[in-house]
Amino acid sequence: EVQLVESGGGLVQPGGSLRLSCAASGFTFSSYWMSWVRQAPGKGLEWVASIKQDGSEKYYVDSVKGRFTISRDNAKNSLYLQMNSLRAEDTAVYYCARGRQPRIAAAIDYWGQGTLVTVSS
Amino acid sequence: AIRITQSPSSLSASTGDRVTITCRASQGVTSYLAWYQQKPGKAPKLLIYAASTLQSGVPSRFSGSGFGTDFTLTISCLQSEDFATYYCQQYYSHPHTFGQGTKLEIK
Repeated sequence: EVQLVESGGGLVQPGGSLRLSCAASGFTFSSYWMSWVRQAPGKGLEWVASIKQDGSEKYYVDSVKGRFTISRDNAKNSLYLQMNSLRAEDTAVYYCARGRQPRIAAAIDYWGQGTLVTVSS
Repeated sequence: AIRITQSPSSLSASTGDRVTITCRASQGVTSYLAWYQQKPGKAPKLLIYAASTLQSGVPSRFSGSGFGTDFTLTISCLQSEDFATYYCQQYYSHPHTFGQGTKLEIK
């Protein structure tokens, strides 16, 4: 059974940093593109970042470029999101997500349960 | 970035009704479009990918169509468990943008 379990969310002050983790199991993690998607309270879904199987390609939404870094450790079956210079508008539930095919263009077939990040003083 | 315009933003319907939700992309995405269902407090669930392919385990009352810039999700006979929020997403190019969502409510 495919499982994605996020951790690392919490309350952080504006300008602060946080590192999210996603532990993957039930599939060959190193074979899939992985992504982070977020959802602000009461709002819609926003794709944040994606990373290729070997980490050689990374993509970000413009609003987080230069502040967030997506990475992965295939030996640990883990995905990460390092978030720096956090702003109030980064407040959201962050989902770890798997592309359904091992290619750059793939819909998301598995989602974690999400971890809440709150940026507030 | 490709913009996705989803409509309507909300929709009231009754059990047994047929409903249609549309998404329009600001530029062509061929068939690289997916539809998701989300219930309150839960992660989204993939319904349809490649514009019209039903994800395994999804009931056949859900169907998708379209190519290029215009896409539709149709639910042929609404069941009580279908009342939720629906999103489309293009994955043709990064950023993989979502539509704004359609909240389907009970009339």
